[in-house]
Amino acid sequence: EVQLVESGGGLVQPGGSLRLSCAASGFTFSSYWMSWVRQAPGKGLEWVANIKQDGSEKYYVDSVKGRFTISRDNAKNSLYLQMTCLRAEDTAVYYCASGGNTPFDYWGQGTLVTVSS
Amino acid sequence: DIQMTQSPSTLSASVGDRVTITCRASQSISSWLAWYQQKPGKAPKLLIYKASSLESGVPSRFSGSGSGTEFTLTISSLQPDDFATYYCQQYNSFPRTFGQGTKVEIK
Repeated sequence: EVQLVESGGGLVQPGGSLRLSCAASGFTFSSYWMSWVRQAPGKGLEWVANIKQDGSEKYYVDSVKGRFTISRDNAKNSLYLQMTCLRAEDTAVYYCASGGNTPFDYWGQGTLVTVSS
Repeated sequence: DIQMTQSPSTLSASVGDRVTITCRASQSISSWLAWYQQKPGKAPKLLIYKASSLESGVPSRFSGSGSGTEFTLTISSLQPDDFATYYCQQYNSFPRTFGQGTKVEIK
């Protein structure tokens, strides 16, 4: 069974940093593009970033470029999102999803990031 | 950036109804379009990919059509489990973009 389990969310002050993790199991993690998708409270879905299988290509939505960094560790079947200079508008549930160069076929349960003083 | 526009934003329907949701892209995306279903408090679920291909395990009452800039998701006979929000998403180019969502409510 495919499982994606996010962790690392929480309350952080504006300007602060947070690192999200996603533990993958049940599929060959190293064979898939991986992505982060977020959803602000009561709003729609927004793609944030994705990373190629070997980490050689990374893409970001403009609003997070220079502040967020996506990375992966194929030996640990894990995906990460390092978030810095956080803003109130970054408040959202962050989902880890497989795909990105293809549709997002598997999703985690999400982790809530709240940016507030 | 490619803008995805769904209509309607909200749809009221009854069990057994045929339901159609439209998604328009601001420029051609060929057939690189996916549809997702999301229920409150849950992660989205992939229903359709490449505009008309049904994801494994998804009931056959769901179907997708279209290419270029105009796409539709059809539910042939609405079931109680189908009341949810539906999103289209293009994967033709970066940034990947979603429609704003269509909420299917009980009439």
